[in-house]
Amino acid sequence: TQLLEQSPQFLSIQEGENLTVYCNSSSVFSSLQWYRQEPGEGPVLLVTVVTGGEVKKLKRLTFQFGDARKDSSLHITAAQTGDTGLYLCAGVGTSGTYKYIFGTGTRLKVLA
Amino acid sequence: ETGVTQTPRHLVMGMTNKKSLKCEQHLGHNAMYWYKQSAKKPLELMFVYSLEERVENNSVPSRFSPECPNSSHLFLHLHTLQPEDSALYLCASSQVGQAIAIEKLFFGSGTQLSVL
Repeated sequence: TQLLEQSPQFLSIQEGENLTVYCNSSSVFSSLQWYRQEPGEGPVLLVTVVTGGEVKKLKRLTFQFGDARKDSSLHITAAQTGDTGLYLCAGVGTSGTYKYIFGTGTRLKVLA
Repeated sequence: ETGVTQTPRHLVMGMTNKKSLKCEQHLGHNAMYWYKQSAKKPLELMFVYSLEERVENNSVPSRFSPECPNSSHLFLHLHTLQPEDSALYLCASSQVGQAIAIEKLFFGSGTQLSVL
């Protein structure tokens, strides 16, 4: 069974601080996605990384895919209260029931 | 119109009730999904309808029954549920067959289900 472990599970920081969230697996994925979910809503895709070692930036968010395509990280610079939410990584396989394997989630709270 | 619409947003039901969750996607996608989101557990895929083929997670109890009458509509029929079935049920859609770097899930806002 493919599993994705995220760390930390919970994170509470002050506005302006930096943070990194990790997503780790023993399985290789075709690509890896990061979603953000706000209270009362469904997850929304932030980014997809495909190539091992790939780095993508989305404003203050930096996403990296591990060289072996088994892990990923999300770094937020100068966090804002609007970054508050549940961050989910999802490993994307080829097909079938386990095409999208979601991580355990990181719940981030940014305090003003 | 939002891309993926789910109704109802909230549902409280007794263990002997029968109810249905509804999902509609306006994105022209060819695959629809039901996910269960419980506290402290990863998002769990329950069912997928993709290109008119149904794929299901074998661990989902038979008290959950999906129906997909066409590519835009998806239902989840519920009967004789247990309190541990209380969770957020999310519907999603995607366009299968694209390059892996492009394919992604579009989620609805979910139905928060409480079983008493």
